[in-house]
Amino acid sequence: TQLLEQSPQFLSIQEGENLTVYCNSSSVFSSLQWYRQEPGEGPVLLVTVVTGGEVKKLKRLTFQFGDARKDSSLHITAAQPGDTGLYLCAGAGGQNFVFGPGTRLSVLP
Amino acid sequence: NAGVTQTPKFRVLKTGQSMTLLCAQDMNHEYMYWYRQDPGMGLRLIHYSVGEGTTAKGEVPDGYNVSRLKKQNFLLGLESAAPSQTSVYFCASSNLLRSPLHFGNGTRLTVT
Repeated sequence: TQLLEQSPQFLSIQEGENLTVYCNSSSVFSSLQWYRQEPGEGPVLLVTVVTGGEVKKLKRLTFQFGDARKDSSLHITAAQPGDTGLYLCAGAGGQNFVFGPGTRLSVLP
Repeated sequence: NAGVTQTPKFRVLKTGQSMTLLCAQDMNHEYMYWYRQDPGMGLRLIHYSVGEGTTAKGEVPDGYNVSRLKKQNFLLGLESAAPSQTSVYFCASSNLLRSPLHFGNGTRLTVT
């Protein structure tokens, strides 16, 4: 069974700070996606990474896929209150996705 | 654009009651999925469908049934609800296998 772990589980920071959250597994994934979920809504896709070592940037968010395609990180520069939410990683393995438990981020003004 | 629509948004059931959750998508997607989300456990796949008339079991299928009679609709049924089925249920769709998932806004189900 493929499993994804995410750390930290919870993170509360002040506006303007930088942060990194992690998504780790002992399994290799063909691709990995990051989603953000706000209260009362479904997850929304942020990015898909496919190639080992790949780095993608989305404004203040930087996503990296590990060289061995077993792990990924999400770095947010100068966090804003609008970044508050649950960040989920999902690995593509077999026919379907495996989701991590998420990192709940709170950015305080 | 409606995207993925789930009904109802909230429901409270007594143990042993039955209900059906409806998911509708207007993106002409082939693949549809039902997930449940519980605190600290992420999203777990219940059942999925790779096209009209097809269904398959996911990670946690016990106690649930599904049907995909029309391409745009995916129904999740609970025949005899149990407190362990208290959760938030999400429907999702995608165009291709392992392509990005489009989620509905969820159904919060409480079984007492």
